[in-house]
Amino acid sequence: DAKTTQPPSMDCAEGRAANLPCNHSTISGNEYVYWYRQIHSQGPQYIIHGLKNNETNEMASLIITEDRKSSTLILPHATLRDTAVYYCIVRTDGATNKLIFGTGTLLAVQP
Amino acid sequence: GAVVSQHPSRVICKSGTSVKIECRSLDFQATTMFWYRQFPKQSLMLMATSNEGSKATYEQGVEKDKFLINHASLTLSTLTVTSAHPEDSSFYICSASRPGGGGEKLFFGSGTQLSVL
Repeated sequence: DAKTTQPPSMDCAEGRAANLPCNHSTISGNEYVYWYRQIHSQGPQYIIHGLKNNETNEMASLIITEDRKSSTLILPHATLRDTAVYYCIVRTDGATNKLIFGTGTLLAVQP
Repeated sequence: GAVVSQHPSRVICKSGTSVKIECRSLDFQATTMFWYRQFPKQSLMLMATSNEGSKATYEQGVEKDKFLINHASLTLSTLTVTSAHPEDSSFYICSASRPGGGGEKLFFGSGTQLSVL
């Protein structure tokens, strides 16, 4: 699976949009971009995933560049409860395929 | 939504004892489950892939005789840390993959904090 690069940490003001970038320049054509987050001392939580088109759900939006070499996770109105480590992972689709975590971005939402 | 239950959430044991951690998929059948370990301020490290009815596949550097994995049913996988030592103290997390649907997603348990004295 392709590797990803994320900034180690970011701050965001409560109520503002949080934009978390991810570089995945070696992504293959059949690899999806997945985003998970981990709140302290809990298991990771799925947020969103996409292949090439932008995606939106009740939690976030995922913007993937046309060349698919980078993406941005957008939390439209960050709250204090969104403080977590956010992981961007590229992975081929399939129930038996492993999910390999990188170092992620620690998002700190400030009051 | 899909839920993965992990038990216990916290365990303290003496050095040399064995500890079993259970991971259950509550509302779906999981032919594949994954076990991770996480040290403080570090990312999750994949330890092994647990396959129902067959032997687990371990990642490089993970001792299969130390970390015994059993996936006897489609809803239960167990990880046993044998002869635990203080260096095995860590946060252990399981995940289960729900097949089908619009793109598979992995669901994670809440984790088990193991402290070996």
